[in-house]
Amino acid sequence: AQKVTQAQTEISVVEKEDVTLDCVYETRDTTYYLFWYKQPPSGELVFLIRRNSFDEQNEISGRYSWNFQKSTSSFNFTITASQVVDSAVYFCALSVHASGGSYIPTFGRGTSLIVHP
Amino acid sequence: DTAVSQTPKYLVTQMGNDKSIKCEQNLGHDTMYWYKQDSKKFLKIMFSYNNKELIINETVPNRFSPKSPDKAHLNLHINSLELGDSAVYFCASSPSSSVVDFGPGTRLLVL
Repeated sequence: AQKVTQAQTEISVVEKEDVTLDCVYETRDTTYYLFWYKQPPSGELVFLIRRNSFDEQNEISGRYSWNFQKSTSSFNFTITASQVVDSAVYFCALSVHASGGSYIPTFGRGTSLIVHP
Repeated sequence: DTAVSQTPKYLVTQMGNDKSIKCEQNLGHDTMYWYKQDSKKFLKIMFSYNNKELIINETVPNRFSPKSPDKAHLNLHINSLELGDSAVYFCASSPSSSVVDFGPGTRLLVL
């Protein structure tokens, strides 16, 4: 069975601080995908990044960066110089193969990030 | 232009009623999903369809019945609504092995 653990339920920071959101996953599949989604207070789910299990390159996109380490089954997300607009719930997800060629994402419980001005 | 659309956006109803939520995607994706997000924000898969065939049916009461008339639609019908069904229901779609696109959610409140 697949499992995603986001141990941090809530993180509170002051604007301009750097913050890292942790994600640890469990799967026996060798091929899988990892995702991060953002859910702002307005409620929609916004895709941030996808990584496949064979690509351990870290990625940077503006103030966002992701650190994928297969050895520790972790896919952590760092926001540099946080801003109030970063306040949201962030979900890590693991997607493994199901029947019919489709993949089924399993989500962590989310980390609520509050950025204070 | 909306990729994944759901109707209605809000649904307030009495216990015991039957209601449906409609979902449509115009992305040509093969796989569609229903997720339930509870008050603690936990997102849990309910159903998944691939090319109109049910492939995942998690432990969901049989009062919930998905229906996929074609690849672009996955509707959710709920019978005999209970207080505990109050949640946000997200429809989503995905091409094989790729990003899941979510609809805007339907906020269901059962009184």
